[in-house]
Amino acid sequence: AQKITQTQPGMFVQEKEAVTLDCTYDTSDQSYGLFWYKQPSSGEMIFLIYQGSYDEQNATEGRYSLNFQKARKSANLVISASQLGDSAMYFCAMSSYGQNFVFGPGTRLSVLP
Amino acid sequence: EAGVAQSPRYKIIEKRQSVAFWCNPISGHATLYWYQQILGQGPKLLIQFQNNGVVDDSQLPKDRFSAERLKGVDSTLKIQPAKLEDSAVYLCASSSRPQNYGYTFGSGTRLTVV
Repeated sequence: AQKITQTQPGMFVQEKEAVTLDCTYDTSDQSYGLFWYKQPSSGEMIFLIYQGSYDEQNATEGRYSLNFQKARKSANLVISASQLGDSAMYFCAMSSYGQNFVFGPGTRLSVLP
Repeated sequence: EAGVAQSPRYKIIEKRQSVAFWCNPISGHATLYWYQQILGQGPKLLIQFQNNGVVDDSQLPKDRFSAERLKGVDSTLKIQPAKLEDSAVYLCASSSRPQNYGYTFGSGTRLTVV
């Protein structure tokens, strides 16, 4: 069975600094995808970034990058130059071909002015 | 393109009452999902539709929950009768193919059962 672990229930970061949100996963599948979603207080889940298990380079999307370490089964999200609007819940998720998403418990990020 | 529409945005009901949620996915998205998100947890899949057929409902409490997607477009999730532990946000998502990426979520319906 697939499982996602996010060990940081809450994180604080100063505005304009970088922050890393941890995610480890467990799967026996060889082909899978890893995702990060942002959930602001409005409740909507906003897709941030995707990493395929066979991708050799770490994914990047603007201020978001994914630090993918396959051997360690980790997929940490790095947010550079944090903004006040980044304050939200962040969920790591994974899916293998033909299977549905499994979400982690989430990390609440608070950006301090 | 328009996003995934859900209604109502909020709902408060008493236990043992019935409630229904509606979802209209992005036009052309064949796959539709209902997720339950209990406060402090990540979303959990309840049911997945591919067009108007059910692909996965293994985690749907079928004694009280039901869902349908007539004509393969919008969908309704019903709870009857509701329990206190059903208090959660119910998220609808759609994707253009039944695989991994391209999920677009709606804003959800926050249900409170008192």
